[in-house]
Amino acid sequence: DSGVTQTPKHLITATGQRVTLRCSPRSGDLSVYWYQQSLDQGLQFLIQYYNGEERAKGNILERFSAQQFPDLHSELNLSSLELGDSALYFCASSVGGGDSSYEQYFGPGTRLTVT
Amino acid sequence: AQSVAQPEDQVNVAEGNPLTVKCTYSVSGNPYLFWYVQYPNRGLQFLLKYITGDNLVKGSYGFEAEFNKSQTSFHLKKPSALVSDSALYFCAVRGGDDYKLSFGAGTTVTVRA
Repeated sequence: DSGVTQTPKHLITATGQRVTLRCSPRSGDLSVYWYQQSLDQGLQFLIQYYNGEERAKGNILERFSAQQFPDLHSELNLSSLELGDSALYFCASSVGGGDSSYEQYFGPGTRLTVT
Repeated sequence: AQSVAQPEDQVNVAEGNPLTVKCTYSVSGNPYLFWYVQYPNRGLQFLLKYITGDNLVKGSYGFEAEFNKSQTSFHLKKPSALVSDSALYFCAVRGGDDYKLSFGAGTTVTVRA
């Protein structure tokens, strides 16, 4: 158990809908990262927050957004969902944000299925 | 831009034999290199990392990795593989001021009894 929690574990929704994925980092970790894992794209970095502020952006679509709250939990919002958004979404956390040497600890993931 | 290549989609070994999973990277500046393992329906688990110092890094579950700067490689090794090592292994790199962690495509390891 990494100490990173994600809810829900599974999510099934229809095209055009909007969903929110939730992540709680390990105790003491200030950074939260979001990743998308799919068979065709592999593991793709979406976005990072450090202590409430956006720190780095990856291949995140404009239909997706995220935020980190004062208690350091984070939410990833996916809107106008398409079939191609079906994937496993991981949250990870690390102690630091500015130091690239910190390893990230991953949650169990949320499996999103868009029908 | 930084990138990672894992040239083998699959590695098959017999239990008790040495296991090697290959990784090469491309990055600006000094690399920070990581190995993660993913078991079915689970998140990624951190195995080990190279930041600086000794080129041979030891990690969890008897795994180690060797950093080779001239060959830009960071191969994962285990002297004696176990059936329970069967999983998907990811190499990842972060470089310089880039906060983004770039992952390879993954290598599926199967250890047969």
